Amino acid sequence: EAGVTQSPTHLIKTRGQQATLRCSPISGHTSVYWYQQALGLGLQFLLWYDEGEERNRGNFPPRFSGRQFPNYSSELNVNALELEDSALYLCASSLVYEQYFGPGTRLTVT
Amino acid sequence: EDQVTQSPEALRLQEGESSSLNCSYTVSGLRGLFWYRQDPGKGPEFLFTLYSAGEEKEKERLKATLTKKESFLHITAPKPEDSATYLCAVQAVFHAGKSTFGDGTTLTVKP
Repeated sequence: EAGVTQSPTHLIKTRGQQATLRCSPISGHTSVYWYQQALGLGLQFLLWYDEGEERNRGNFPPRFSGRQFPNYSSELNVNALELEDSALYLCASSLVYEQYFGPGTRLTVT
Repeated sequence: EDQVTQSPEALRLQEGESSSLNCSYTVSGLRGLFWYRQDPGKGPEFLFTLYSAGEEKEKERLKATLTKKESFLHITAPKPEDSATYLCAVQAVFHAGKSTFGDGTTLTVKP
């Protein structure tokens, strides 16, 4: 069974630009979660999507947004990038409670 | 606010030297406590879910236990390939979908 996939693996952007990160969940999973893991920090919850709707949001500014498509894949958009947005962005999917993570997208803002 | 504290931050063991990792948590209504393993630069790998005090789960050399305030991850006779960062996370009944993670314990097992 294929796991959670994320693209791209690495992304380099300039401050002020926009970044789009993509995630495909495990087949049959309807919930997708996004987390930020900055260097030396723990995983911080960003967003939860289920059945196409945003269900919960962490303490991040509105320039972090996303959506879930009818096939349950998801997109995370980060507008007006700041240097401190540099981090590993992790996507997870679940059927019930356990969250299964993808390999992450390494975003570097210069 | 949900909180998770893991100790120690780092643990160095000799191959075969058993030990335990601690996860202390504060949550308003525990839905579940989760253990993950994370290798450098990779996404966390799911290990266990514990739902109620007294519950235990085992997988190879790992055993997770849960009380009302903390969880332990016991590692029996570890091997170098067990070297990784172990993460603990909780989900609260009233904070649907959001997992609160601890900062992890980085385990190094020397041959």
